[in-house]
Amino acid sequence: GEDVEQSLFLSVREGDSSVINCTYTDSSSTYLYWYKQEPGAGLQLLTYIFSNMDMKQDQRLTVLLNKKDKHLSLRIADTQTGDSAIYFCAESRNDYKLSFGAGTTVTVRA
Amino acid sequence: NAGVTQTPKFRVLKTGQSMTLLCAQDMNHEYMYWYRQDPGMGLRLIHYSVGEGTTAKGEVPDGYNVSRLKKQNFLLGLESAAPSQTSVYFCASTASSGSLYEQYFGPGTRLTVT
Repeated sequence: GEDVEQSLFLSVREGDSSVINCTYTDSSSTYLYWYKQEPGAGLQLLTYIFSNMDMKQDQRLTVLLNKKDKHLSLRIADTQTGDSAIYFCAESRNDYKLSFGAGTTVTVRA
Repeated sequence: NAGVTQTPKFRVLKTGQSMTLLCAQDMNHEYMYWYRQDPGMGLRLIHYSVGEGTTAKGEVPDGYNVSRLKKQNFLLGLESAAPSQTSVYFCASTASSGSLYEQYFGPGTRLTVT
């Protein structure tokens, strides 16, 4: 995952917003993804954004994409205890492979 | 529809022993992948397959071999396990149509090599 970088930890109070940031290097990426991994489980696709979009909103989730700076962020509104997980940013190219970041562990405290 | 399944869920090996991890998917996906997950390093691609009978090296292939004899199965082999291969191994698959490469992951295999 050296092409995709993200901070490793985030602690947030229940009810607040969480913002997870990611930078990527491949400007030819078609889609950028956010995957969620709950304890003891595999990864599940949380949301994604097409590379020609700036923003995508899906209920409590907002994805922002800044192509110029190669920066991707995921905002979770009204963070709940069930949002505690590891969140992975990933980029895809045209070869059916994904490149993942190291993952951000989000801890929600009461 | 079970999705992606992996066996075994846990395994402890001694250095030098061999084992095979099995991945199966029932979604008729063409592409399958093996990753390892280590703390602070995210997921790293070991090997992948773009169809039955084909395999290719990923980012960290050394010490591993794979086979895709049937479309629904992707096997990962360790011929002579080393402590550096202690990790959690994930299998994933994706369809070959479209450009949205949503990968479906199995629950993982936790391997410890002593």
